[in-house]
Amino acid sequence: AQSVTQLDSQVPVFEEAPVELRCNYSSSVSVYLFWYVQYPNQGLQLLLKYLSGSTLVESINGFEAEFNKSQTSFHLRKPSVHISDTAEYFCAVSDTGTASKLTFGTGTRLQVTL
Amino acid sequence: DVKVTQSSRYLVKRTGEKVFLECVQDMDHENMFWYRQDPGLGLRLIYFSYDVKMKEKGDIPEGYSVSREKKERFSLILESASTNQTSMYLCASTDASGREETQYFGPGTRLLVL
Repeated sequence: AQSVTQLDSQVPVFEEAPVELRCNYSSSVSVYLFWYVQYPNQGLQLLLKYLSGSTLVESINGFEAEFNKSQTSFHLRKPSVHISDTAEYFCAVSDTGTASKLTFGTGTRLQVTL
Repeated sequence: DVKVTQSSRYLVKRTGEKVFLECVQDMDHENMFWYRQDPGLGLRLIYFSYDVKMKEKGDIPEGYSVSREKKERFSLILESASTNQTSMYLCASTDASGREETQYFGPGTRLLVL
Protein backbone atom coordinates (compact mmCIF):
# COMPACT_ATOMS: atom_id res chain seq x y z
CA ALA A 1 0.00 0.00 0.00
CA GLN A 2 1.13 3.54 -0.67
CA SER A 3 0.64 6.79 1.16
CA VAL A 4 1.21 10.41 0.26
CA THR A 5 2.06 13.26 2.61
CA GLN A 6 1.53 16.90 1.77
CA LEU A 7 2.71 18.69 4.87
CA ASP A 8 1.49 22.16 3.90
CA SER A 9 -2.27 22.54 3.88
CA GLN A 10 -2.04 26.18 2.77
CA VAL A 11 0.70 28.18 1.07
CA PRO A 12 0.22 31.94 0.71
CA VAL A 13 2.51 33.66 -1.76
CA PHE A 14 2.78 36.99 -3.55
CA GLU A 15 2.41 37.18 -7.29
CA GLU A 16 5.71 36.72 -9.19
CA ALA A 17 7.34 35.03 -6.19
CA PRO A 18 8.65 31.45 -6.41
CA VAL A 19 6.78 28.61 -4.75
CA GLU A 20 7.41 25.03 -3.75
CA LEU A 21 4.67 22.61 -2.75
CA ARG A 22 6.03 19.59 -0.96
CA CYS A 23 5.05 15.97 -1.53
CA ASN A 24 6.51 12.85 0.02
CA TYR A 25 5.32 9.33 -0.62
CA SER A 26 5.72 5.92 0.90
CA SER A 27 5.71 2.73 -1.13
CA SER A 28 7.45 -0.62 -1.14
CA VAL A 29 7.23 -0.94 -4.92
CA SER A 30 7.97 1.16 -8.00
CA VAL A 31 5.61 4.09 -8.43
CA TYR A 32 4.14 6.56 -10.84
CA LEU A 33 3.73 10.10 -9.48
CA PHE A 34 1.25 12.82 -10.33
CA TRP A 35 0.26 16.37 -9.50
CA TYR A 36 -3.38 17.30 -10.08
CA VAL A 37 -4.82 20.81 -9.77
CA GLN A 38 -8.34 21.82 -8.79
CA TYR A 39 -9.44 25.35 -9.65
CA PRO A 40 -12.39 26.78 -7.69
CA ASN A 41 -15.67 24.97 -8.38
CA GLN A 42 -14.09 22.55 -10.82
CA GLY A 43 -13.01 18.94 -10.92
CA LEU A 44 -9.37 17.88 -10.85
CA GLN A 45 -7.14 18.02 -13.89
CA LEU A 46 -3.70 16.61 -14.46
CA LEU A 47 -0.86 19.11 -14.07
CA LEU A 48 2.12 16.81 -14.66
CA LYS A 49 3.22 13.24 -14.14
CA TYR A 50 6.29 11.06 -13.81
CA LEU A 51 6.03 7.59 -15.33
CA SER A 52 9.61 6.88 -16.38
CA GLY A 53 12.65 8.49 -17.97
CA SER A 54 13.81 11.95 -16.95
CA THR A 55 13.15 12.62 -13.29
CA LEU A 56 12.37 16.28 -14.00
CA VAL A 57 8.94 16.79 -15.54
CA GLU A 58 7.29 20.03 -16.61
CA SER A 59 3.80 21.34 -17.22
CA ILE A 60 2.70 23.67 -19.99
CA ASN A 61 2.09 26.54 -17.56
CA GLY A 62 5.55 26.68 -16.01
CA PHE A 63 5.35 24.21 -13.12
CA GLU A 64 7.95 21.50 -12.71
CA ALA A 65 8.48 18.58 -10.35
CA GLU A 66 11.43 16.31 -9.73
CA PHE A 67 11.19 12.68 -8.76
CA ASN A 68 13.73 11.98 -6.02
CA LYS A 69 13.74 8.28 -5.30
CA SER A 70 16.22 8.42 -2.42
CA GLN A 71 14.16 11.04 -0.60
CA THR A 72 10.82 9.61 -1.81
CA SER A 73 9.74 13.08 -2.84
CA PHE A 74 8.03 14.73 -5.78
CA HIS A 75 7.97 18.44 -4.91
CA LEU A 76 6.22 20.88 -7.21
CA ARG A 77 7.91 24.20 -8.04
CA LYS A 78 7.27 27.32 -10.05
CA PRO A 79 9.80 30.17 -10.29
CA SER A 80 7.19 32.92 -10.61
CA VAL A 81 3.51 32.42 -9.78
CA HIS A 82 0.52 34.21 -11.20
CA ILE A 83 -2.83 35.06 -9.65
CA SER A 84 -4.41 32.44 -11.91
CA ASP A 85 -2.35 29.73 -10.18
CA THR A 86 -4.57 30.07 -7.12
CA ALA A 87 -6.00 26.58 -6.68
CA GLU A 88 -5.73 23.40 -4.67
CA TYR A 89 -2.93 21.04 -5.65
CA PHE A 90 -3.00 17.31 -5.02
CA CYS A 91 -0.06 14.95 -5.17
CA ALA A 92 -0.91 11.33 -6.03
CA VAL A 93 0.88 8.01 -6.40
CA SER A 94 0.11 4.68 -8.02
CA ASP A 95 2.21 1.56 -8.07
CA THR A 96 3.36 0.40 -11.47
CA GLY A 97 1.89 -3.06 -10.91
CA THR A 98 -1.70 -1.97 -10.32
CA ALA A 99 -1.49 1.22 -12.27
CA SER A 100 -4.49 3.55 -12.67
CA LYS A 101 -5.50 3.25 -9.01
CA LEU A 102 -4.34 6.44 -7.32
CA THR A 103 -3.67 7.33 -3.71
CA PHE A 104 -3.99 11.07 -3.10
CA GLY A 105 -2.46 13.39 -0.57
CA THR A 106 -4.62 15.75 1.46
CA GLY A 107 -3.96 18.69 -0.83
CA THR A 108 -2.24 22.08 -0.60
CA ARG A 109 -4.17 25.28 -1.18
CA LEU A 110 -2.01 27.80 -3.02
CA GLN A 111 -3.22 31.35 -2.49
CA VAL A 112 -1.54 33.92 -4.72
CA THR A 113 -2.05 37.58 -3.84
CA LEU A 114 -0.94 40.87 -5.36
CA ASP B 1 -11.12 16.14 -25.49
CA VAL B 2 -12.14 13.63 -22.87
CA LYS B 3 -15.38 14.54 -21.24
CA VAL B 4 -16.62 13.18 -17.95
CA THR B 5 -20.02 14.42 -16.90
CA GLN B 6 -21.86 14.03 -13.64
CA SER B 7 -25.64 14.20 -13.45
CA SER B 8 -25.88 16.95 -10.84
CA ARG B 9 -23.60 19.71 -9.55
CA TYR B 10 -25.58 20.14 -6.34
CA LEU B 11 -27.94 17.77 -4.57
CA VAL B 12 -29.88 18.02 -1.32
CA LYS B 13 -31.34 14.85 0.18
CA ARG B 14 -32.87 13.77 3.45
CA THR B 15 -31.50 11.15 5.83
CA GLY B 16 -32.61 7.67 4.81
CA GLU B 17 -33.24 8.50 1.17
CA LYS B 18 -31.73 6.38 -1.59
CA VAL B 19 -29.42 8.53 -3.69
CA PHE B 20 -28.11 7.90 -7.19
CA LEU B 21 -25.10 9.75 -8.57
CA GLU B 22 -24.49 9.22 -12.26
CA CYS B 23 -21.26 9.55 -14.21
CA VAL B 24 -20.79 9.28 -17.96
CA GLN B 25 -17.55 9.36 -19.97
CA ASP B 26 -17.24 9.64 -23.72
CA MET B 27 -13.74 8.22 -24.34
CA ASP B 28 -14.45 4.49 -24.23
CA HIS B 29 -12.36 4.16 -21.06
CA GLU B 30 -12.31 0.81 -19.33
CA ASN B 31 -11.58 2.11 -15.82
CA MET B 32 -13.90 4.32 -13.83
CA PHE B 33 -13.65 5.58 -10.25
CA TRP B 34 -15.74 7.22 -7.55
CA TYR B 35 -14.06 9.39 -4.92
CA ARG B 36 -15.28 11.58 -2.14
CA GLN B 37 -13.46 14.78 -1.32
CA ASP B 38 -13.52 16.28 2.15
CA PRO B 39 -11.55 19.26 3.51
CA GLY B 40 -8.28 18.15 5.06
CA LEU B 41 -8.74 14.57 3.89
CA GLY B 42 -8.08 14.92 0.17
CA LEU B 43 -9.68 12.40 -2.17
CA ARG B 44 -10.57 8.95 -0.95
CA LEU B 45 -11.49 6.10 -3.27
CA ILE B 46 -14.95 4.63 -2.71
CA TYR B 47 -15.23 2.10 -5.56
CA PHE B 48 -13.72 1.51 -8.94
CA SER B 49 -14.62 -0.54 -11.98
CA TYR B 50 -12.29 -1.91 -14.64
CA ASP B 51 -14.95 -3.33 -16.93
CA VAL B 52 -18.69 -3.57 -17.41
CA LYS B 53 -20.33 -5.33 -14.45
CA MET B 54 -16.96 -5.49 -12.66
CA LYS B 55 -16.32 -3.54 -9.48
CA GLU B 56 -13.85 -3.42 -6.64
CA LYS B 57 -14.02 -1.78 -3.27
CA GLY B 58 -11.81 1.16 -2.62
CA ASP B 59 -10.72 2.50 0.72
CA ILE B 60 -14.10 3.63 2.07
CA PRO B 61 -16.90 1.53 0.50
CA GLU B 62 -19.14 1.32 3.56
CA GLY B 63 -22.58 2.77 2.95
CA TYR B 64 -22.12 2.84 -0.82
CA SER B 65 -22.69 0.55 -3.77
CA VAL B 66 -22.04 0.95 -7.50
CA SER B 67 -23.43 -0.17 -10.80
CA ARG B 68 -21.80 -0.42 -14.21
CA GLU B 69 -24.20 -1.83 -16.78
CA LYS B 70 -22.66 0.02 -19.73
CA LYS B 71 -19.05 0.88 -20.39
CA GLU B 72 -19.62 4.64 -20.45
CA ARG B 73 -21.72 4.89 -17.28
CA PHE B 74 -20.77 4.33 -13.65
CA SER B 75 -23.32 4.97 -10.93
CA LEU B 76 -22.75 5.50 -7.23
CA ILE B 77 -25.62 4.56 -4.93
CA LEU B 78 -26.15 5.63 -1.36
CA GLU B 79 -28.57 3.00 -0.13
CA SER B 80 -29.73 5.04 2.87
CA ALA B 81 -28.17 8.48 2.99
CA SER B 82 -26.72 9.69 6.26
CA THR B 83 -25.47 13.11 7.32
CA ASN B 84 -21.86 11.88 7.37
CA GLN B 85 -22.15 11.28 3.63
CA THR B 86 -22.42 15.01 3.02
CA SER B 87 -19.45 15.60 0.77
CA MET B 88 -18.16 16.38 -2.71
CA TYR B 89 -18.27 13.32 -4.97
CA LEU B 90 -15.92 13.08 -7.93
CA CYS B 91 -16.02 10.60 -10.77
CA ALA B 92 -13.00 9.82 -12.95
CA SER B 93 -12.07 7.58 -15.84
CA THR B 94 -8.92 6.32 -17.51
CA ASP B 95 -8.02 3.84 -20.20
CA ALA B 96 -6.51 0.49 -19.32
CA SER B 97 -3.71 0.52 -21.87
CA GLY B 98 -1.14 1.89 -19.45
CA ARG B 99 0.06 4.39 -22.06
CA GLU B 100 -0.73 7.56 -20.19
CA GLU B 101 -2.13 6.68 -16.75
CA THR B 102 -4.05 9.94 -16.59
CA GLN B 103 -7.36 10.05 -14.75
CA TYR B 104 -9.95 12.44 -16.19
CA PHE B 105 -12.33 13.93 -13.67
CA GLY B 106 -15.88 15.18 -13.82
CA PRO B 107 -16.85 18.53 -12.25
CA GLY B 108 -18.12 16.90 -9.06
CA THR B 109 -21.45 16.62 -7.26
CA ARG B 110 -21.78 18.46 -3.96
CA LEU B 111 -24.20 16.41 -1.85
CA LEU B 112 -25.87 17.74 1.28
CA VAL B 113 -27.73 15.22 3.45
CA LEU B 114 -30.11 16.82 5.94
